[in-house]
Amino acid sequence: DIQMTQSPSTLSASVGDRVTITCRASQSINTWLAWYQQKPGKIPRLLIYKASNLESGVPSRFSGSGSGTEFTLTISSLQPDDFATYYCQQYNTYSFTFGPGTKVDIK
Amino acid sequence: EVQLLESGGGLVQPGGSVRLSCAASGFTFGSSRMTWLRQAPGKGLEWVSSISSSSDTTYYADSVKGRFAVSRDNSKNTLFLEMSSLRAEDTALYYCAKPITGSYGAVNYWGQGTLVTVSS
Repeated sequence: DIQMTQSPSTLSASVGDRVTITCRASQSINTWLAWYQQKPGKIPRLLIYKASNLESGVPSRFSGSGSGTEFTLTISSLQPDDFATYYCQQYNTYSFTFGPGTKVDIK
Repeated sequence: EVQLLESGGGLVQPGGSVRLSCAASGFTFGSSRMTWLRQAPGKGLEWVSSISSSSDTTYYADSVKGRFAVSRDNSKNTLFLEMSSLRAEDTALYYCAKPITGSYGAVNYWGQGTLVTVSS
């Protein structure tokens, strides 16, 4: 199975900060990577698919980049609604594994 | 509007079985790949299983292979997950989900989930 790692595991930031989360795959997944946001007690929300494609309705302050084994999710200016846990997921090869998550909390 | 409504969860004894259902509406179910995912309490997300639109292809996570079976009834717009030989580590909120077109993995529609608790 492809293993996914994320860094950092927790990130403390302030409103207005530029935030970057890194996701790494144990082998190349081309650009078959998705990013999700999940708030406590809520269902996950797809933010980005195919590494850099913004899902419909997602604010443009979210962006994704990368290919192969290293990927990033960037929030250009952190908003109060963005404090949540973020997961990456590879869907190049089944099992479609998730990263362990990055929790973004208030500094 | 896409709607996915799971049912069938509850308390199950270790070694027991349960069948989850997911009633789908708001999209062409019979043309859509579908996926099950789960999330243990306080833990991260785990992909469980996917099925093609015509049921000719199924995929399973190693952790459930041989114990879980995914199926669908396109005439009733319903997805199923038959779970057997259940273990404590299968305790989780199980989500029915619709991936983006052409994918099994990237999920853009989720049900609210149904909780399965495996305990004696």
